[in-house]
Amino acid sequence: DGGITQSPKYLFRKEGQNVTLSCEQNLNHDAMYWYRQDPGQGLRLIYYSQIVNDFQKGDIAEGYSVSREKKESFPLTVTSAQKNPTAFYLCASSIVGTLTGELFFGEGSRLTVL
Amino acid sequence: AQSVTQLGSHVSVSEGALVLLRCNYSSSVPPYLFWYVQYPNQGLQLLLKYTSAATLVKGINGFEAEFKKSETSFHLTKPSAHMSDAAEYFCAVRKTSYDKVIFGPGTSLSVIP
Repeated sequence: DGGITQSPKYLFRKEGQNVTLSCEQNLNHDAMYWYRQDPGQGLRLIYYSQIVNDFQKGDIAEGYSVSREKKESFPLTVTSAQKNPTAFYLCASSIVGTLTGELFFGEGSRLTVL
Repeated sequence: AQSVTQLGSHVSVSEGALVLLRCNYSSSVPPYLFWYVQYPNQGLQLLLKYTSAATLVKGINGFEAEFKKSETSFHLTKPSAHMSDAAEYFCAVRKTSYDKVIFGPGTSLSVIP
């Protein structure tokens, strides 16, 4: 079945450590996105990419980094510079150039900093 | 800039009662509109989308939404609530598939038995 796979589902990290969240899709979608979700808040865009080897900052990119070396993969690194990294992280993808380009989401990764 | 407002961060309904979740958007032109549902510790799932083909849009799980240009609204309804409808609901807007998706803050729906 086609879809988006995020791993790990749960991750614990000590302060000062970098962590990388994986996002893989087999939908052949051009665009991929990373969102952050905090309790009681909506989704905030961290980074997005519409084509391989190119990506743009979203609304809250500070303390995060991404790469897009392959169409199907868009890993997110949460660096030690991110002041408050504990959150639920969602990866999404979409087709570029279609009528609506609705987003398809993965199951999410919950990061807790101890 | 586009924005999305969802009136009511928490809505409670009795099982079997009408569900009404409100969404208003700001846009100079009719955008593409979406409703997503999120269950605890899961990703978002598309409930329905407005693409200008019809103002009344039917989605999954018995939900539907009506696009009203004059009111810049896209409210989500379901005639009879079920316990399994308890979740977080997000309204979203997008100008074109090349633009960012703008999400509302979400409405948490509780269903009382």
